[in-house]
Amino acid sequence: SQQGEEDPQALSIQEGENATMNCSYKTSINNLQWYRQNSGRGLVHLILIRSNEREKHSGRLRVTLDTSKKSSSLLITASRAADTASYFCAPSGAGSYQLTFGKGTKLSVIP
Amino acid sequence: EAGVAQSPRYKIIEKRQSVAFWCNPISGHATLYWYQQILGQGPKLLIQFQNNGVVDDSQLPKDRFSAERLKGVDSTLKIQPAKLEDSAVYLCASSVGSEGYTFGSGTRLTVV
Repeated sequence: SQQGEEDPQALSIQEGENATMNCSYKTSINNLQWYRQNSGRGLVHLILIRSNEREKHSGRLRVTLDTSKKSSSLLITASRAADTASYFCAPSGAGSYQLTFGKGTKLSVIP
Repeated sequence: EAGVAQSPRYKIIEKRQSVAFWCNPISGHATLYWYQQILGQGPKLLIQFQNNGVVDDSQLPKDRFSAERLKGVDSTLKIQPAKLEDSAVYLCASSVGSEGYTFGSGTRLTVV
């Protein structure tokens, strides 16, 4: 399995603003997943984008994938205080069920 | 659908004591994972089971950590003896294939 690296490590925005976080990885993937972790809780699966997809939406979430640059971005529109959490990306290669997590992006949304 | 159940929620022990964590995955999920998450870091995989067999335990400190998944359902993770650096949140997750893990709420272990 391979690890994604999230950037920035920390992000602070005002409620209502958009939040963008990025993920880079090193080898080819089958899919890439984004997870959210609220303080002291387990991770929650947000969205999965396959290697043949370029963009995917889910509610206020928009994920893009650029396999040529080996990067992905997660955009949260019209952020809310409840979006305050750490966000992790997890690239998944062929034949591997295993996900490896980086340090994540810690998002703080200020009311 | 019921989620992944973990217990206990919190545990405080003294160093050199032993501790065990329990996980009940989502019904039908063949793959089960234990992760260790130290404060400020991302989760680190300790062990992966497929049904009741171990797929990967390369990052499990086998001198003190052990895990089992009898009958391919519930799993227990044990630490004996515990060290101060084992203080962390222990997360259990289950999946069908690689498309979306479901995590439990974790067990927060404090070793004093």
